[in-house]
Amino acid sequence: KQEVTQIPAALSVPEGENLVLNCSFTDSAIYNLQWFRQDPGKGLTSLLLIQSSQREQTSGRLNASLDKSSGRSTLYIAASQPGDSATYLCAVGEYGNKLVFGAGTILRVKS
Amino acid sequence: DGGITQSPKYLFRKEGQNVTLSCEQNLNHDAMYWYRQDPGQGLRLIYYSQIVNDFQKGDIAEGYSVSREKKESFPLTVTSAQKNPTAFYLCASSTPWGNTEAFFGQGTRLTVV
Repeated sequence: KQEVTQIPAALSVPEGENLVLNCSFTDSAIYNLQWFRQDPGKGLTSLLLIQSSQREQTSGRLNASLDKSSGRSTLYIAASQPGDSATYLCAVGEYGNKLVFGAGTILRVKS
Repeated sequence: DGGITQSPKYLFRKEGQNVTLSCEQNLNHDAMYWYRQDPGQGLRLIYYSQIVNDFQKGDIAEGYSVSREKKESFPLTVTSAQKNPTAFYLCASSTPWGNTEAFFGQGTRLTVV
C-alpha cells in the first residue's frame, strides 16, 4: 500500500529565504505527483502537477522535482513571502487519479 | 466561473442521524472524489466515481454512501453507522487518467453534537 511522508512537519523561516519541502513515497508505480496549498479552514489549491514521465515543473517562484526511482519529490520556493504561509500537501496519483496524500508541511514565513 | 461547489460549509449532526453533503462541479470532469481530512493527517479517500452511475469504495468507505446520477453531482451521505464522523470533508474532480490536476471544493466541516 502506498505511503507518502512529508518532511519537515513544520517550518518557520524569515521572509526572503529560499526553502525546500520534501516528499517521499514507497511505491514508484505512480501516474503523477501533485503539490497543493491549503489555507486554514479552506480547500486545496493545486500548485504543480508532475507527470510520471517528467522530472520537474516550474510555476513562478515554485519548482517541483520528481525522482520516481528513489521515491522522492521536492518543492522549492524561492524568495519566500509572508503570503506563502500555509500548509503544503504532496499527493501521488494512482490509477483513476486517486490521490494518496502526505500529512503536509506547515510553513510560516515571518516578515 | 468553472469550479467545484460544496455545501453546506458547516454541518451539525445529532447522534443516529444521516446527513448529506453536496458537491457540484461545472468543469465537465468525468471523475469525482470524496476525501476526509482529520487534524494533523493527510486526506483519505472515501469514495470515487469515474463515470455516471458508477462508483467505487476508497480506503475508508464504511459508514458512508454516495450516488452519481448526473455528471455534475456527487453527493455524500454520512450514515449513523459512521462512528466518528467529525471531520473536514473535501470533494474533488478531475479527468480519470491522471493527466490533469485535481480541483477541490472549499470543504464541509461536519461536527457531531
